[in-house]
Formats: sequence, C-alpha cells, structure tokens
Amino acid sequence: DAGVTQSPTHLIKTRGQQVTLRCSPKSGHDTVSWYQQALGQGPQFIFQYYEEEERQRGNFPDRFSGHQFPNYSSELNVNALLLGDSALYLCASSSGISRSNTEAFFGQGTRLTVV
Amino acid sequence: GDSVTQMEGPVTLSEEAFLTINCTYTATGYPSLFWYVQYPGEGLQLLLKATKADDKGSNKGFEATYRKETTSFHLEKGSVQVSDSAVYFCALEGTGGYQKVTFGTGTKLQVIP
Repeated sequence: DAGVTQSPTHLIKTRGQQVTLRCSPKSGHDTVSWYQQALGQGPQFIFQYYEEEERQRGNFPDRFSGHQFPNYSSELNVNALLLGDSALYLCASSSGISRSNTEAFFGQGTRLTVV
Repeated sequence: GDSVTQMEGPVTLSEEAFLTINCTYTATGYPSLFWYVQYPGEGLQLLLKATKADDKGSNKGFEATYRKETTSFHLEKGSVQVSDSAVYFCALEGTGGYQKVTFGTGTKLQVIP
C-alpha cells in the first residue's frame, strides 16, 4: 500500500500564476482533506472532499478551489498566486465522514514556492 | 471555533531526560485529541490519539491523557532519544463531523547526546 501520494513534491511558481496540486488517497479511503502549512506553523485546514463534493471549508479565499474524482483522488487549485501562498500543502485521506475512530493519513506534501 | 494551544519551542533536552509538552484546547462537545509528529523533510505521522475523557493514548514510549476538566492533552515521555528530535503537533477533531482537524502551532524538540 503506497499510502497517500502527492505530486509534485516541489514547485516554483511566479506571482499571479495558477497552480494545481494532486493527491491520491490511501487505498480504501474516500475522503480527502487539504491543509496549508506555512513555515514554522501548524497545518491550516483548507477544505475537505467526499463523494466528489466540497463538504467543509476553512478560512481560505475563493482563489483556492478543489476537485475530487470518481477514483477519490483530488486536486487543489490556487489562482492568482501571492507570495504568501508559499507553503507546504498537505493532503490527508480518511474513510467516511462519520466520527468513528478512523485515522487521517497524511502525504509527504508539496512544497510550493511563489517568487 | 475550535483551537489548540501548545507550548512554544524549541525544547532542548539531553538524551534520557523526561519530556513534557503542554497542550490545551477549546472546543464544544467532546472532540478527539491527537499528537502528530513531523520529522525533518517529512509529512505528518499520527503518534497517538484519545477519543474520550480519561482515555490515555500511547505509542513508542509517548503518552498523553485526555483531561476534560482541564481541557488538556499533555504529551510525556520518560526517557527521550536523539531519534525523537522532531516537531510535535497537538490537534483535535471536532464534533461537527467531516473530520476537520485543528492543529496547534507545533513544538520543536531537539535531543542532544
């Protein structure tokens, strides 16, 4: 089992550009969440996808959007990049939406640098 | 809304010293509580968790007890090793469903030989 995989691992973009990050969940998981981790900070929740719909959203602007595909993989899109968007973007997968004792598994993250 | 407060680091300890990293939380209802660890250059790994009051989570010599009365979930280890050097995050999953996890700012631990 490959666990949660994210691509690419590193990315450099210019201010104003758009970026797409990708995540494949752990086998058997159907829920994907995205987090932004700025340098020296804890991860901040961006949004969560289940059954191809955005189910919950954190305090992020509309420039941040996402998608979930029928195979449960997910994309995070960020438009009009700002220098402040530079961060490690983490994807987490889990099973179902109930508060059972399921564990969220995190990927290694994508390091985005905006210059 | 939900929030997690943990002690600021860095924390520097000698090998075999006792470790405590304090964590308190604010949440409605009965959240699940977690400690995650992040080694340099890596993603997050779940270290331990507790899902109800008075539960004790434990793993790899680390322990934390869910204290509802003090809204705390302090991380402890009796004897740290150099390999424990990492950033530790306290986190909670609220009662609103959809498994949104709220993290603290992290505490960097450095263990010196």
